[in-house]
Amino acid sequence: QQQVKQSPQSLIVQKGGISIINCAYENTAFDYFPWYQQFPGKGPALLIAIRPDVSEKKEGRFTISFNKSAKQFSLHIMDSQPGDSATYFCAATGVVYNFNKFYFGSGTKLNVKP
Amino acid sequence: KAGVTQTPRYLIKTRGQQVTLSCSPISGHRSVSWYQQTPGQGLQFLFEYFSETQRNKGNFPGRFSGRQFSNSRSEMNVSTLELGDSALYLCASYQGGGRETQYFGPGTRLLVL
Repeated sequence: QQQVKQSPQSLIVQKGGISIINCAYENTAFDYFPWYQQFPGKGPALLIAIRPDVSEKKEGRFTISFNKSAKQFSLHIMDSQPGDSATYFCAATGVVYNFNKFYFGSGTKLNVKP
Repeated sequence: KAGVTQTPRYLIKTRGQQVTLSCSPISGHRSVSWYQQTPGQGLQFLFEYFSETQRNKGNFPGRFSGRQFSNSRSEMNVSTLELGDSALYLCASYQGGGRETQYFGPGTRLLVL
């Protein structure tokens, strides 16, 4: 059973536009939701993260919106730039069966057209 | 603090050979996880080590194994390499105290010919 579902698989946005990536989770034990950005040939880098007691977190052009009742969260990239072209992974982490576990979404490949 | 480091960064092997990859976590991090990433694929979880003990294991054949040392450094071994093992192998570490995130290394690119 996929613990974190991410959509869309790929996304094309014009420069200056808003990129939106959505994730949904199943397990209410999850209590931390990070997003990662990965450039080709590199390891994923932590971009921004949110706790479930907050509905929104903003860092520069990147914003996470969190809907606890719907068990959904999303990443918004405002004023998208060609340099934002990368693969984005959402993740959920929490204590499951007495151990802290991490689950990743399947990734979204973002292409920002100049 | 220095980030997660992985060695080697690139490897070329032939089918049937074995390979060992190394990962040094961020200082103070006790947990190390390994992931396999193939082109266009997500992060496939291999296993996690915490304080020298394997705590979680993904759905990979027994050819994939790992270990963790007392200084938290970890190694991953793949025996009898197959063409399909060509991938980016990522190591990630975290402190282990809960409600935190993993930090990834740059990965080891393995090519099996």
